[in-house]
This record gives sequence, C-alpha cells and structure tokens, in this order.
Amino acid sequence: DGGITQSPKYLFRKEGQNVTLSCEQNLNHDAMYWYRQDPGQGLRLIYYSQIVNDFQKGDIAEGYSVSREKKESFPLTVTSAQKNPTAFYLCASNPGQDYGYTFGSGTRLTVV
Amino acid sequence: DQQVKQNSPSLSVQEGRISILNCDYTNSMFDYFLWYKKYPAEGPTFLISISSIKDKNEDGRFTVFLNKSAKHLSLHIVPSQPGDSAVYFCAAPYSGGGADGLTFGKGTHLIIQP
Repeated sequence: DGGITQSPKYLFRKEGQNVTLSCEQNLNHDAMYWYRQDPGQGLRLIYYSQIVNDFQKGDIAEGYSVSREKKESFPLTVTSAQKNPTAFYLCASNPGQDYGYTFGSGTRLTVV
Repeated sequence: DQQVKQNSPSLSVQEGRISILNCDYTNSMFDYFLWYKKYPAEGPTFLISISSIKDKNEDGRFTVFLNKSAKHLSLHIVPSQPGDSAVYFCAAPYSGGGADGLTFGKGTHLIIQP
C-alpha cells in the first residue's frame, strides 16, 4: 500500500538539542511538505519541496531546516533556534500540479 | 495574516441533525477549496473539495457550498453521525495547481451529541 511514513510517532528532546523528523513516501509524488499544528491553530506550512535538491520556505521556516536528496524522503530538522518546538508535525506529499494531498500520521515532538 | 478563517472553534450538533461548518477567505485569487477531517494525533484526511467555477459540490452526506461574492464557503453534513465528531479544516492552495502547498483555517471541532 502506498503512503507516507512519519517516524517516530512520539519524540522527546532536551532543550537546546537539534532533532530530525523522518518522512518517507512511496507514492512517487514529486512534491513534499512539512506542516506544524499547535492547539487551536490550523496547520502552518514550514517548508516544501517540489523537486529533488530544491526546497522553499513556508510561512514559519525560522528555526527549521530540510533536505531533499531523494524523491522519497524529506527530513525536517528542528534546530535549537526554534523558540517553541513542542508541537505536532505533519508531513504531506502531492503528485505536483494537483490538489491530491496525502498526509502522514504525524510526529508529536516534546521539548523539555 | 490568515487568508482562510474558521471563526467557530467548536460546534455541537445532535445526532441525525444537520451540521453546518463555515469558512471565510480573504484572497479573491483562490480558485479551489478543500475540506479535511482530522482526529487527534492523526493526519488530516480529505473530505470534499470545490472549484470556484461551481457553487455546490455534493458527495453522499457531505455538501460544500461556495459563495464567491461573499468569499464564504460552508460544509453541510446531513445527517450527522457520531463518527463525524472530529476537527474540520478548510483549506485553499497558495497558488493555482496546488504545488506550493495549502493554507488552512484554524479548524472547527465538531461534536455530535447522541
């Protein structure tokens, strides 16, 4: 079955540490996205990538970094520069010029 | 500034009745809208969409209405069922074609009362 895999489901880190969230898709989709959800907030776009080795900042990119070395993978690094990293992170993909977004099941990051 | 707005954080509806979820947008260039359903600790799942060339789209119990002049859309669920209890997000693509991602409203938590 094709889909998006986000791992781990829950992640705990100490303040000041960088942490990388994994996102893998086997849908052969060109575009991939990272969103963040906070309580009472909608999903906010962090970064997105339309093709391999290229990515663009979304609305709230500060304190985050990404890479897109393979079509299937779009890892997100939450750096120590992110002021409020505790949140629910969602990865999504899209064939490209299409409205058919597929979302992963999310990673809950808690920074203590 | 939020371009898609859902002004009701929560809505409680009795089972069997109609649920109406509202969404407003500010960008008149938006030409496509999507509704997603989300359970806690899960990713959103696509529910229904509408193109700006239409004013209504129906899929089973779900109907979305679009009023372009008012920049308003609504999702109707009839009849409401217990499994419909979830958070519903309205969304629009940042650009035509959808490759630049979606902008979301803050969501409405729908609670179906038995």
